[in-house]
Amino acid sequence: GAVVSQHPSWVICKSGTSVKIECRSLDFQATTMFWYRQFPKQSLMLMATSNEGSKATYEQGVEKDKFLINHASLTLSTLTVTSAHPEDSSFYICSARADYQETQYFGPGTRLLVL
Amino acid sequence: AQSVTQPDIHITVSEGASLELRCNYSYGATPYLFWYVQSPGQGLQLLLKYFSGDTLVQGIKGFEAEFKRSQSSFNLRKPSVHWSDAAEYFCAVDPGGGNKLTFGTGTQLKVEL
Repeated sequence: GAVVSQHPSWVICKSGTSVKIECRSLDFQATTMFWYRQFPKQSLMLMATSNEGSKATYEQGVEKDKFLINHASLTLSTLTVTSAHPEDSSFYICSARADYQETQYFGPGTRLLVL
Repeated sequence: AQSVTQPDIHITVSEGASLELRCNYSYGATPYLFWYVQSPGQGLQLLLKYFSGDTLVQGIKGFEAEFKRSQSSFNLRKPSVHWSDAAEYFCAVDPGGGNKLTFGTGTQLKVEL
């Protein structure tokens, strides 16, 4: 149980385009989902926290207009990188947690490369 | 400032040898503590967690960790390492129990056959 998937697993896009990444909880209802960013050989940095049906809460320094997060259902959250630039290239990882769960469960990550 | 420190960036051990990965935190109260493992290009898998109670915590894959309040540490141990344990290991803390994790910088484990 507690499986989280992400799609796509990797994506290459041109600079200036937008990219959408999906995060799904497959066997539980995730009231809260988290989005992290990981640069090569670095740790995970929390970008934002989203609760189903509410606006996401962004961490300091994360541009909410650039990284649009939607958590419209209890099993799906999306992260859209708008007008992507090469510096947005990174590994994006989501996690999800249900109200009754003590821990969050992580997806396999999405590698984004912006050319 | 609140922080999580993993002082060892890289560790190399021989297969069958024991392993200890260090983690120190700097928070006012005892946070919730976690260890995760990440294989190349993959997401994170939870190895074990500490919320309260017994300070020696058993996890999956033969790992254990000991919480030491006096040292603000939560070191991860395994008595006998397997080649498949080669991966990146992250210590994480949740200061307020609200599931907002702060990760250490990670320790890359290499296992020599």
